[in-house]
Amino acid sequence: GQQLNQSPQSMFIQEGEDVSMNCTSSSIFNTWLWYKQDPGEGPVLLIALYKAGELTSNGRLTAQFGITRKDSFLNISASIPSDVGIYFCAPAMNRDDKIIFGKGTRLHILP
Amino acid sequence: EPEVTQTPSHQVTQMGQEVILRCVPISNHLYFYWYRQILGQKVEFLVSFYNNEISEKSEIFDDQFSVERPDGSNFTLKIRSTKLEDSAMYFCASSVPDRGSYEQYFGPGTRLTVT
Repeated sequence: GQQLNQSPQSMFIQEGEDVSMNCTSSSIFNTWLWYKQDPGEGPVLLIALYKAGELTSNGRLTAQFGITRKDSFLNISASIPSDVGIYFCAPAMNRDDKIIFGKGTRLHILP
Repeated sequence: EPEVTQTPSHQVTQMGQEVILRCVPISNHLYFYWYRQILGQKVEFLVSFYNNEISEKSEIFDDQFSVERPDGSNFTLKIRSTKLEDSAMYFCASSVPDRGSYEQYFGPGTRLTVT
């Protein structure tokens, strides 16, 4: 069956540090989405990637769609306290298809 | 900015009871979804809905589950006879098939607790 691996599972960083997380899959996908979830809330879309090799930024966030279409990474530069939360990669195969969520990367920022 | 809304925010019910979770998708969206998230786990797909019928459903979405769009704005998930393992956050999402959009927008969720 389809395998989706997201790493790391959790990260503890100092405010101001850069962060990197990634997802790999056993299957190819046509899109990679990245969501952030705050405690007790729904996932919020951060970045959407549509083309293999595409590099997209949204403020301090940068994400790339791997050229093999089986992976993606998300970088956060100069982390701030409100970056705390769980980040999910969420690839999909077809437009309006279900999204498959990774297990998430829980980001903690140390005081 | 338009957003998906869900009610109630928290529902407590006894095992065997029926529950209806309600969602109002973004008004110009055409595709609707339900996902669930058991505490501490990943978000799992339940069902997608388009043009007044189910497009796809997962193994979780068995005969105890049903969805309905009773009017032009609401989208509901019904669990006919709840089980303890149905306790989870339930998220509604919607998307519009515009210019190849895959982007789904999620509501804040309903926390269902089955006792």
